[in-house]
Amino acid sequence: DQQVKQNSPSLSVQEGRISILNCDYTNSMFDYFLWYKKYPAEGPTFLISISSIKDKNEDGRFTVFLNKSAKHLSLHIVPSQPGDSAVYFCAASAISNFGNEKLTFGTGTRLTIIP
Amino acid sequence: KAGVTQTPRYLIKTRGQQVTLSCSPISGHRSVSWYQQTPGQGLQFLFEYFSETQRNKGNFPGRFSGRQFSNSRSEMNVSTLELGDSALYLCASSPRASGNTIYFGEGSWLTVV
Repeated sequence: DQQVKQNSPSLSVQEGRISILNCDYTNSMFDYFLWYKKYPAEGPTFLISISSIKDKNEDGRFTVFLNKSAKHLSLHIVPSQPGDSAVYFCAASAISNFGNEKLTFGTGTRLTIIP
Repeated sequence: KAGVTQTPRYLIKTRGQQVTLSCSPISGHRSVSWYQQTPGQGLQFLFEYFSETQRNKGNFPGRFSGRQFSNSRSEMNVSTLELGDSALYLCASSPRASGNTIYFGEGSWLTVV
């Protein structure tokens, strides 16, 4: 049961334009959401996060939007740069059966920025 | 501040063997979690340790096990390796138990032949 879904395995965007990566979730108990970026042969690096009490969080070129009613979040990158080419994972956090918070990751979207 | 360190970075094992992977968390971080990444499957959660206690466990068979030491360093072990265990194994650390934001190491690439 994939509770966090990234339905687009890949996305290509022209340099300078906006990149929009989408993520859907099914578990209404998720209360914290994160985006990670991963280059080949490296571990994922934390990008930006948002709490369920907010609907938008911005950090430089990166903005995350959360639509709780639609159980949907998106990451906007503007303007897109060649160095943004990577795999992006969204993740969501909820209290697990063990009583602790646990992160659940999506399958990732490969973003390619075209110069 | 040094990041999460994983060893070895690359290894090849034969089916049926066992393997131990090591992880040193960021200094001061007491929570360590492990993930498996395979193509098309994203990051699958294996388990999480805090203060030497397993606090969360994913849906993996008992061949996958782990432990955490008093200095927060962690190891994971996979016994009776299968071809499907070939993957990137990622360790992540967090300053608190089941932290919302975790910080990953570069991973250990395991190939089972």
